[in-house]
Amino acid sequence: EVQLVESGGGLVKPGGSLRLSCAASGFTFSSYSMNWVRQAPGKGLEWVSSISSSSSYIYYADSVKGRFTISRDNAKNSLYLQMNSLRAEDTAVYYCAREGAKSPSDYWGQGTLVTVSS
Amino acid sequence: AIRMTQSPSSFSASTGDRVTITCRASQGISSYLAWYQQKPGKAPKLLIYAASTLQSGVPSRFSGSGSGTDFTLTISCLQSEDFATYYCQQYYSYSWTFGQGTKVEIK
Repeated sequence: EVQLVESGGGLVKPGGSLRLSCAASGFTFSSYSMNWVRQAPGKGLEWVSSISSSSSYIYYADSVKGRFTISRDNAKNSLYLQMNSLRAEDTAVYYCAREGAKSPSDYWGQGTLVTVSS
Repeated sequence: AIRMTQSPSSFSASTGDRVTITCRASQGISSYLAWYQQKPGKAPKLLIYAASTLQSGVPSRFSGSGSGTDFTLTISCLQSEDFATYYCQQYYSYSWTFGQGTKVEIK
């Protein structure tokens, strides 16, 4: 069974940093691209970043480019999102999701809440 | 970035109804269109990808159609568990973008 479990969310002050993790199991992690998608409270979904299976290709939304860094450790079956210079508008539930063979996100984690507030 | 516009933003329907949600892209995206269902407090669930391919395990009452700029999600016979918010997403080019969502409520 495919499982994705996010962790690392919490309360952080504006300008602060946070590192999210996503532990994957139930599939060959090193064979799949992975994504981060976020959802602000009461709002819609926003794609944040994607990374290819070998980390060769990385993409970011303009809203986080230069502040967030996506990475992965295939030996540890883990996906990461380093978030720096956090702003109030980064407050959201952050989901990690697996990119399917022909679909953008076929499995999702339960999400982790990041709150940026003084 | 490609803008995705869903309509309507919300509506009320009854169990057994046939419902259709539309999604329009600001430029052509071929068939690189996915649909998700999200219930309160839960992660989104993939329903359809490649505009019309049903994800494994998704009931056949869900169907998708369209290509280019105009797409539809149809639920042929609405069930109680289908009351949720639905999102379309283009993955034709980065940055991937979602529609604003369509909330289907009980009449």
